[in-house]
Parts: sequence; structure tokens; C-alpha cells
Amino acid sequence: QQQVKQSPQSLIVQKGGISIINCAYENTAFDYFPWYQQFPGKGPALLIAIRPDVSEKKEGRFTISFNKSAKQFSLHIMDSQPGDSATYFCAASKRKTSYDKVIFGPGTSLSVIP
Amino acid sequence: EAQVTQNPRYLITVTGKKLTVTCSQNMNHEYMSWYRQDPGLGLRQIYYSMNVEVTDKGDVPEGYKVSRKEKRNFPLILESPSPNQTSLYFCASSLTQQHTGELFFGEGSRLTVL
Repeated sequence: QQQVKQSPQSLIVQKGGISIINCAYENTAFDYFPWYQQFPGKGPALLIAIRPDVSEKKEGRFTISFNKSAKQFSLHIMDSQPGDSATYFCAASKRKTSYDKVIFGPGTSLSVIP
Repeated sequence: EAQVTQNPRYLITVTGKKLTVTCSQNMNHEYMSWYRQDPGLGLRQIYYSMNVEVTDKGDVPEGYKVSRKEKRNFPLILESPSPNQTSLYFCASSLTQQHTGELFFGEGSRLTVL
């Protein structure tokens, strides 16, 4: 119940295309859903996050879509660029409790080819 | 500049030789955590600390020790390293224990145990 599932494991997209990464969770107590971006040789960095009271959040070319009833959320990267090539982790956490660790998905390796 | 600093970035050692990986953050964060990243296994939490002198085990604590004597520092100690501890290690911090979804990561320490 604490798992966050993520797919696909790897993704190759043409420059200018749309990259889509999907995640699913089971624990309805999660109330914060961040995405992290990790470039080779670097640590993960918070990219964008959403709370379950909204269905979509957009920041530039990055959009999170959230489906509370299905317990699924996804990251869409519009107009994908080679510089977006990285590993992406979805995650889930509970901000309203005294402490609960963030749960990470297994990651998606994205390659954007010219 | 807000950052989490880890040292060393790369280390090759031999079985049984004690080593310490240092971690320091300059954001006055209360919460700090150590992760290891292995291919196909994503990010796994080793230990975490909610504040000074408060530490607890994560998912894979065996073979590791930590201490939190100062708010900014959270060293990871391998008393007797073994080859199965060869991994990429990340230190991370967040404002408080209720913000674990908003982690700041260091750049990583790649450890090889021969």
C-alpha cells in the first residue's frame, strides 16, 4: 500500500514530441505528489509538484495531470528537447501527518533524440 | 546559494576499512536523510533525522551508522564496508519532517568497496 508504481521504465522520444510518464499509488492518505528530475552525475532535483485538490498543474513545458479517483498521476513534457534527457522519479508523501517519509517510484529514463 | 554538500564525491576502498561520507546543508533544514541508488532499485532510504540528536532507521540501515550533533551536518558512517555497499549515495534535506516531499539532494557520492 506504500508503493508508488511508475511506467515506462525507459522512454525514447523525438525532439519536439510529447513525453508521458505515468504513476499510480494505493494509499489515499498521500496528499503531495512531487516529480524529481535527475541528470547523469547529479542528484535528483524537485521539478514540479501537485496536491490532490487540483487536477492539473502546469509549469512551462511540464504538466502534471492528476486523477484522484483512479489514484494516478502523470507527467507530460511538451515539445521535448534533448536537454530534457534525464531520469524522472514520481513520488508521494503525506504533509498532514507528523512524519511520513516520501515514497519514490522506481524512475523512468528519458532520452530525447534530435 | 542553497545547497547540500557531500564529500567525497568518489571513493574506492577495501572491505573492512571504516569510512565516513560527510553531508552538510546551509538552509537551516530540520530534516535530513540518506539514500542509496542502485540500478533497477531506485532510491532507498538508509537513515533519516528529524532534528538534532534525533535519528532513525530507514528501509536499508544494515551496515550503516549516522549521527546528528549539529543541525547542518549529517554524516554517514560505514564501520566495516562490504562489497554489497558499493552504490551511489545521496544526502537530502527538507525544511521540516512534514516537507519530506520537497527534498534538496546533494550531488552524490559514488562508493566502490573492493
